[in-house]
Amino acid sequence: NAGVTQTPKFRILKIGQSMTLQCTQDMNHNYMYWYRQDPGMGLKLIYYSVGAGITDKGEVPNGYNVSRSTTEDFPLRLELAAPSQTSVYFCASSYPTDTEAFFGQGTRLTVV
Amino acid sequence: DAKTTQPTSMDCAEGRAANLPCNHSTISGNEYVYWYRQIHSQGPQYIIHGLKNNETNEMASLIITEDRKSSTLILPHATLRDTAVYYCIVRVGGSYNNNDMRFGAGTRLTVKP
Repeated sequence: NAGVTQTPKFRILKIGQSMTLQCTQDMNHNYMYWYRQDPGMGLKLIYYSVGAGITDKGEVPNGYNVSRSTTEDFPLRLELAAPSQTSVYFCASSYPTDTEAFFGQGTRLTVV
Repeated sequence: DAKTTQPTSMDCAEGRAANLPCNHSTISGNEYVYWYRQIHSQGPQYIIHGLKNNETNEMASLIITEDRKSSTLILPHATLRDTAVYYCIVRVGGSYNNNDMRFGAGTRLTVKP
């Protein structure tokens, strides 16, 4: 079972560039989440989705966009990358009931 | 912001029980308490969750107070591999459109030989 797959694992961006972080899950989960984690800090929720076509802002949405056209995929888009977006990004998914969430292994992004 | 507060760090001797507290004084009746841990920079890993009854699985036990305002995660025989950051979160169970999942800073548990 693949679970939650994030690509790429590592990326270096120049200031002002854009990119899409990919997240896909093969567990037919309705709920998907994007987090960022700065060094030595906890996870901060960026965006989440409760199903295809539905997305909502989390704690730190500025500078990011998401879409959810299928159940499996939840890409995170960075437009005009800034050094403050240097972080590790985690994607997660879960069923809507009281069950566990599964996390990907993260994408380490550096903006220079 | 996260709905839970946890101590920043704790130490535990190898082989002893590790008791990690969590306060969630504003928890709602339909919110569950979840525990996750994060080893190094890996993705968080689920440990256990509960609503109001105490729960036990192969990894840990979860003790929830009767008023549900706090809980304790117990690792019965801590090993060096249990060194990690432990996160306590509350989350609504069931299909709700506002079912986000927010983490706080967690507790950094260090298991010492």
